[in-house]
Amino acid sequence: DIQMTQSPSSLSASVGDRVTITCRASQNVSNFLAWFQQKPGTAPKSLIYAASSLQSGVPSKFSGSGSGTDFSLTISSLQPEDFATYYCQQYNSYPLTFGGGTKVEIK
Amino acid sequence: QVQLVQSGAEVKKPGASVKVSCKASGYTFTTYGISWVRQAPGQGLEWMGWITTQNGNTNYAQNLQGRVTMTADTSTNTAYMELRSLRSDDTAVYYCARVLWGALNFWGQGTLVTVSS
Repeated sequence: DIQMTQSPSSLSASVGDRVTITCRASQNVSNFLAWFQQKPGTAPKSLIYAASSLQSGVPSKFSGSGSGTDFSLTISSLQPEDFATYYCQQYNSYPLTFGGGTKVEIK
Repeated sequence: QVQLVQSGAEVKKPGASVKVSCKASGYTFTTYGISWVRQAPGQGLEWMGWITTQNGNTNYAQNLQGRVTMTADTSTNTAYMELRSLRSDDTAVYYCARVLWGALNFWGQGTLVTVSS
């Protein structure tokens, strides 16, 4: 199975900050990488697919980059509604696997 | 608009089975697959498997093989996930998600399954 490692596991940031979360795959997953946002008590929301393509309706302050084994999610200017847990997931091969999550908290 | 509406919360005893439904609307059901993902309390996301709604082909996570069955009813645009021989560590929120080319792009609201004696 492909292991997905996210870092950091949590971070504290202020409104307006630029935040970057990284995700590393244990094997090459090409660009078959997605990012999700989850707020407490709610279902995950799809943000990015194919490493850098924004899902319909997702604001452009979210961006993704990377290919192969190293990926990142950047939030350009953190807003109160962005405080949540973020997960990466590879869909290059079965079983699909998720990173452990990064909790973004208010400083 | 796209909706995936899941069935309500369940409480089951160890050894029992549970069947969760996921009713799709707002898109052509057979254009997308359906994946199932679960999340134990306070934990991360675990992929369980997926079904191709066009022909019913499935792919299950190895650790659930033999206990899980995913089906899709194209007459009602509803996907189902049945998990048998439930254990306490199956307690989780179960999500269905729409899939295109492997990417999960829309999620149901989740169904809490509690396994307790």
